[in-house]
Amino acid sequence: ILNVEQSPQSLHVQEGDSTNFTCSFPSSNFYALHWYRWETAKSPEALFVMTLNGDEKKKGRISATLNTKEGYSYLYIKGSQPEDSATYLCAWTAGTALIFGKGTTLSVSS
Amino acid sequence: NAGVTQTPKFRILKIGQSMTLQCTQDMNHNYMYWYRQDPGMGLKLIYYSVGAGITDKGEVPNGYNVSRSTTEDFPLRLELAAPSQTSVYFCASTPRGGGANEQFFGPGTRLTVL
Repeated sequence: ILNVEQSPQSLHVQEGDSTNFTCSFPSSNFYALHWYRWETAKSPEALFVMTLNGDEKKKGRISATLNTKEGYSYLYIKGSQPEDSATYLCAWTAGTALIFGKGTTLSVSS
Repeated sequence: NAGVTQTPKFRILKIGQSMTLQCTQDMNHNYMYWYRQDPGMGLKLIYYSVGAGITDKGEVPNGYNVSRSTTEDFPLRLELAAPSQTSVYFCASTPRGGGANEQFFGPGTRLTVL
């Protein structure tokens, strides 16, 4: 059974705090790792797709790193804002189908 | 572009009824997917298609059927609905290349089976 694990399951931070989440995935047959942001009552939206070991991607205050040899990825949010409140999903793929983790739900208080 | 559209948005079914969830994309994407999302769980892949006329099972296909007669449409059919199929269903699409391209999601269909 292929498992994608995300931690923590949820967290609550204050506005301005920086935070990070972890995604663990199978290191064999790796093809790509996706990160999605999912706001309540909306659809998941892609943040990053990473394919190479050592990849680092950045979009505004959000960045992600990838270690395919040990099977983990980190998502960082710098200076969290209330609008960052959402569930962050990672998904691993060996080619076509994505295997999603259960997500990390972030709540940012002002 | 409208992107990925899904109908209906909400539906209540009785046990044993059948229905089709519609999904259409106007981005000329070859790959399309159906997921279900249950509380506390991640998205689970039901079926996917890599092009018109080609479909394949995902992680949780039992109780569902799909077809892909055109590039744009990928309907999901529920036969003999069961309470276990109460869920939120998302359709997604991605360009040729599959896993290395981001997936674009529809707004979802919330289905309740009573």
